[in-house]
Amino acid sequence: NAGVTQTPKFRILKIGQSMTLQCTQDMNHNYMYWYRQDPGMGLKLIYYSVGAGITDKGEVPNGYNVSRSTTEDFPLRLELAAPSQTSVYFCASSSIGTGDYEQYFGPGTRLTVT
Amino acid sequence: AQKVTQAQTEISVVEKEDVTLDCVYETRDTTYYLFWYKQPPSGELVFLIRRNSFDEQNEISGRYSWNFQKSTSSFNFTITASQVVDSAVYFCALIRGVNNDMRFGAGTRLTVKP
Repeated sequence: NAGVTQTPKFRILKIGQSMTLQCTQDMNHNYMYWYRQDPGMGLKLIYYSVGAGITDKGEVPNGYNVSRSTTEDFPLRLELAAPSQTSVYFCASSSIGTGDYEQYFGPGTRLTVT
Repeated sequence: AQKVTQAQTEISVVEKEDVTLDCVYETRDTTYYLFWYKQPPSGELVFLIRRNSFDEQNEISGRYSWNFQKSTSSFNFTITASQVVDSAVYFCALIRGVNNDMRFGAGTRLTVKP
């Protein structure tokens, strides 16, 4: 059971470039999330999904897009990278139906936009 | 609106001292969940505890203990006989509602000196 995996671990982008951050979970969780963590700050929710085909905006969605075609995968797309998107990105998943509510986090992707 | 405040930005203690990390939350919901996560220097997020709004019992786990008081909207975390390995950033977080939208505090950086 790998839990939540994220790729890549590190990435440097030039301003205006695009990329997709990958996230996969093997726990059959219905909910998945993307957060960003700026230096010295807590995590802020970008987007979340309550199941395949359903996504919704979180606190800071501008500049990002997501899709959820399967239960396992929840990729995050940056279309036109900006320096303000330099951050560490965490993907998480949880199983609401079991009453657990704990979010299981991936190891993070450190993104630098220059 | 929901909000989590961790007023202590940084705390430094000497090994074996007890230390309390404060967490104050705001929410209009009657059903909510509170969490503490640890983020060691390696960067991953480690789940420590979950508490739901209907359970005000304090909890102890080894050297860790948590004090949940709805009357003051606080969920404080105490480490007894701190150790160098406790050095990390600790986040308090709140989930309310069915979308599992987790809001994090800004974190408290704890440094335990030998």
